[in-house]
Amino acid sequence: ETGVTQTPRHLVMGMTNKKSLKCEQHLGHNAMYWYKQSAKKPLELMFVYSLEERVENNSVPSRFSPECPNSSHLFLHLHTLQPEDSALYLCASSQAGNTIYFGEGSWLTVV
Amino acid sequence: QKEVEQDPGPLSVPEGAIVSLNCTYSNSAFQYFMWYRQYSRKGPELLMYTYSSGNKEDGRFTAQVDKSSKYISLFIRDSQPSDSATYLCAMVENSGYSTLTFGKGTMLLVSP
Repeated sequence: ETGVTQTPRHLVMGMTNKKSLKCEQHLGHNAMYWYKQSAKKPLELMFVYSLEERVENNSVPSRFSPECPNSSHLFLHLHTLQPEDSALYLCASSQAGNTIYFGEGSWLTVV
Repeated sequence: QKEVEQDPGPLSVPEGAIVSLNCTYSNSAFQYFMWYRQYSRKGPELLMYTYSSGNKEDGRFTAQVDKSSKYISLFIRDSQPSDSATYLCAMVENSGYSTLTFGKGTMLLVSP
């Protein structure tokens, strides 16, 4: 139990579907992150929310849409994805300036 | 040149061996250095966290940072099969929130 919970753990979706990934942190942190992990590539930072405000968006395509309704919850809304978007999507949280703690990840397969 | 370089491995060692995992980096502004361990199909878990240059020891694990050479290491003593995982180095400049820069990870296989 890492204190960061992600659902679903596995998701298969067609290219025309709309789905969402959910993340909840129980650590009292004030920043939350979405990372993408693909085979043979470093972890890629997608979005950062600090105090519920998006502070970073690393040129992520608009088919990925984050939402942070409060400091404990983070969503990643997915629509019209491509097969190359298949990856492990990791949510993480931190208290400002300190290191981050990851969830177990959501394995996404786009068919 | 990539910002953080890490040999992907796999690195195969027998049980009981001393393991050395390394990363080099180019950004001299990095001040905080971390090692994460990631088991297959799991999220990364924080293993070691160090600030600036020097050594830090935690049980069988020792993290070493040499800022002058832009080189960090993780040593594992008396390696166990349960240490088999991918080890990710990460580093960050001092900021209000932590936008870590990761290496690609080194896969370690410890055989009984």
